[in-house]
Amino acid sequence: GESVGLHLPTLSVQEGDNSIINCAYSNSASDYFIWYKQESGKGPQFIIDIRSNMDKRQGQRVTVLLNKTVKHLSLQIAATQPGDSAVYFCAENPAGQNFVFGPGTRLSVLP
Amino acid sequence: DVKVTQSSRYLVKRTGEKVFLECVQDMDHENMFWYRQDPGLGLRLIYFSYDVKMKEKGDIPEGYSVSREKKERFSLILESASTNQTSMYLCASSFTGLYGYTFGSGTRLTVV
Repeated sequence: GESVGLHLPTLSVQEGDNSIINCAYSNSASDYFIWYKQESGKGPQFIIDIRSNMDKRQGQRVTVLLNKTVKHLSLQIAATQPGDSAVYFCAENPAGQNFVFGPGTRLSVLP
Repeated sequence: DVKVTQSSRYLVKRTGEKVFLECVQDMDHENMFWYRQDPGLGLRLIYFSYDVKMKEKGDIPEGYSVSREKKERFSLILESASTNQTSMYLCASSFTGLYGYTFGSGTRLTVV
């Protein structure tokens, strides 16, 4: 498949370990955030979102943490599986405007 | 299952050709977007539309135009394709600015 990003930061984790992917966002007016997963050759898929009135939200095996003080977002994936290998990127929405996307992090799951 | 459908997964076109990339969504979304994705540059917004017959330039509109004659369809047009327009093109839609985007599978365009 195609390379989504040849110069992306890469995180390598052992299968079964937990993964933490970080994102620094830029606009203090951003009040809605989404994490997307993009597998090779596919379009980005929604994973989980969080609004600025929350600091933590959990989904199935995923947790998003929001620290508005330092404008930081993280995605935690529990018990990482081979199918989690992909590029992950965050998106911020400044008060109803168009989303702004981060550059992405490539997650590589080692057997 | 809701969908954003891009008409082609792979396209090869010649320099100078007029190229049409089609995108259709079945979610009755108001907003539609065209991005290009290049290694190391992430997602860059080309054009967007908040309503039928409405269009706005994004960050990199040069060399592109768009058409939105129906709510469900948003077309990206390369008036005269050039090799620097070789890229992955992604279409997305959303209900309003308060909701996330649903993306299509992308069109890998190669201009030779």
